[in-house]
This record gives sequence, C-alpha cells and structure tokens, in this order.
Amino acid sequence: ETGVTQTPRHLVMGMTNKKSLKCEQHLGHNAMYWYKQSAKKPLELMFVYNFKEQTENNSVPSRFSPECPNSSHLFLHLHTLQPEDSALYLCASSQETVRRTDTQYFGPGTRLTVL
Amino acid sequence: GDSVTQMEGPVTLSEEAFLTINCTYTATGYPSLFWYVQYPGEGLQLLLKATKADDKGSNKGFEATYRKETTSFHLEKGSVQVSDSAVYFCALSPLSGGYNKLIFGAGTRLAVHP
Repeated sequence: ETGVTQTPRHLVMGMTNKKSLKCEQHLGHNAMYWYKQSAKKPLELMFVYNFKEQTENNSVPSRFSPECPNSSHLFLHLHTLQPEDSALYLCASSQETVRRTDTQYFGPGTRLTVL
Repeated sequence: GDSVTQMEGPVTLSEEAFLTINCTYTATGYPSLFWYVQYPGEGLQLLLKATKADDKGSNKGFEATYRKETTSFHLEKGSVQVSDSAVYFCALSPLSGGYNKLIFGAGTRLAVHP
C-alpha cells in the first residue's frame, strides 16, 4: 500500500535538535491527520487539516508544530522534545473531514526516539 | 465522552481456531464503527466498517455486526491463520465534534501459532 507515505521511517534526536516529519498522500484526499501511538496507550489524535486549514489541535504542546502547504503534504516540525515524546507518529488521510463514514488511510509511521 | 473498550490481549490461538475480539463503545446516537489492523512494522489498515445499526462489515473472512442494543462491534473470524497475527483496533467516529474524528480502543494483540 503506497497511498500514504511517511519519511523518515525512523528518527533519533536529542532534546535540543530540530527535525521534521513528512507525510504525502497520493489518494486525492482533502483531509490529513497526525496521530501519536505510544506504548500501552490508545492512539491519540494530534492535528486535523481539511483543505489545508487546521480544524483541530488536540491540546498538543507547542514543541510540535504542524504545517500543511497543500492537500497532499503534511509536516510535523519538532523542537526541544522530551524523552516522553518518543513514539510512533502516524499520518492519515481521508476524502474530507465532514463525512463521518469516510475511511482514514494510514501511512506506515515514523518511529521517533528522543534521547 | 465517547470511548471504545476492547478486550485486553494478547490473544493466543492455534491456526484454524475461532477468533472473537470484543469491542464495546460509549457514544451518543449512531456513530460509525471501524476495525483497523496493524501488522508488525506497518501503519494501520482498515479491516472493515459499519455505519448504521445492524450493519455487518466483512473482509478477508473477518466479520463484525453493529449492535446498538448492546453497544458492541465484536470482531470474529471462523478460522485464523498465522498471517492474521497483528494488533487489532476498534474505533468509532462520533456524531459530535463537527468532523471525521476517530476514537480508538487500546488495541488487542493476536498471536496465531501453527
């Protein structure tokens, strides 16, 4: 499945580093999402974009900064992270956000380790 | 608030055994319900979904029926294979919130042995 791609697949960074995660969808969708998957916790929705506009920020700390330049690309900029931010970060897309029956398609994720 | 509760894992079965993974939900009205599967090292894939009461979703031999009276969406498969080993997530998309938002259960790990 190559509908949603994420790079890099693995990332190790120090607490003072700045890095970015990239997500690209090839499905012609208009909505994109960032999720965080931590060990022993349910998936947490972080951000939602619909037609490039942010429609949800789920109380995410400001050290995570999303960017959606167009409907096909989504970035997550990271700076001064904490070790507890280590997790699998998943990107997803769907046709749009208003239809609750729409399927969300997920990328393979970026495994982030903060030292 | 809206929530999803799944049975804790891991679930360990022999090949060809019958599988049930329980999922119950709390939500107002009639949310859409989903099962996603995550194979090792991969992202989540939609397995099946149901969007209204009494609907049955099915795919790859897996089935789940939307039961409004018991607020449940249990996943079943008649004969599991080793290749079904993965983590299974039940999720709902609530009516409230104004957009397509998924609320996930904690996930149930399934291990199938030959």
